[in-house]
Amino acid sequence: DVKVTQSSRYLVKRTGEKVFLECVQDMDHENMFWYRQDPGLGLRLIYFSYDVKMKEKGDIPEGYSVSREKKERFSLILESASTNQTSMYLCASSWGGLATGELFFGEGSRLTVL
Amino acid sequence: TQLLEQSPQFLSIQEGENLTVYCNSSSVFSSLQWYRQEPGEGPVLLVTVVTGGEVKKLKRLTFQFGDARKDSSLHITAAQPGDTGLYLCAGGPFGAGNMLTFGGGTRLMVKP
Repeated sequence: DVKVTQSSRYLVKRTGEKVFLECVQDMDHENMFWYRQDPGLGLRLIYFSYDVKMKEKGDIPEGYSVSREKKERFSLILESASTNQTSMYLCASSWGGLATGELFFGEGSRLTVL
Repeated sequence: TQLLEQSPQFLSIQEGENLTVYCNSSSVFSSLQWYRQEPGEGPVLLVTVVTGGEVKKLKRLTFQFGDARKDSSLHITAAQPGDTGLYLCAGGPFGAGNMLTFGGGTRLMVKP
């Protein structure tokens, strides 16, 4: 089975702290994604990566950065957390080059910024 | 950014009832995916429709892609408590690879 693992299910951080969210996939997928999920807004794409060290901005990249040093690992970084970044963060992966490719999601990381 | 609107946002029904969830856009999509997300889990793909007018059935779930490829519907027959969850549609634009656009979701609760 495809498995996408997010390192932390729940995090509580203070405003201004640096936050790392880690994601690992075991299916040798080329593409990896970070989404943010808020009630009524669906999933909004923060960043995606189609190869090691490659990254592209999604719809809401402000306040976030990413790192992909190895194919299986994609990290989301909040340099200075703010309260409006309180949300559920979902990592996903997929095979490369498919316009209709299925996304495989992790279980999510719920971040609360106080 | 292409927008997908889902309706209704919330739906609470009794076991055994039928329901339909809609996913609409003013944009044309190359494909349309439906995901279900259960509490505490990530979304899981239910189906992908790629041809205008296409109908796919998955047990009690029927998915339809509009002829103009701008809308889709999910119909559940004789809903069961196990159908409870958040249903998300996601459109695949032409020429943009895996950059899906997600709808806002429909939260379904099926009461026993």
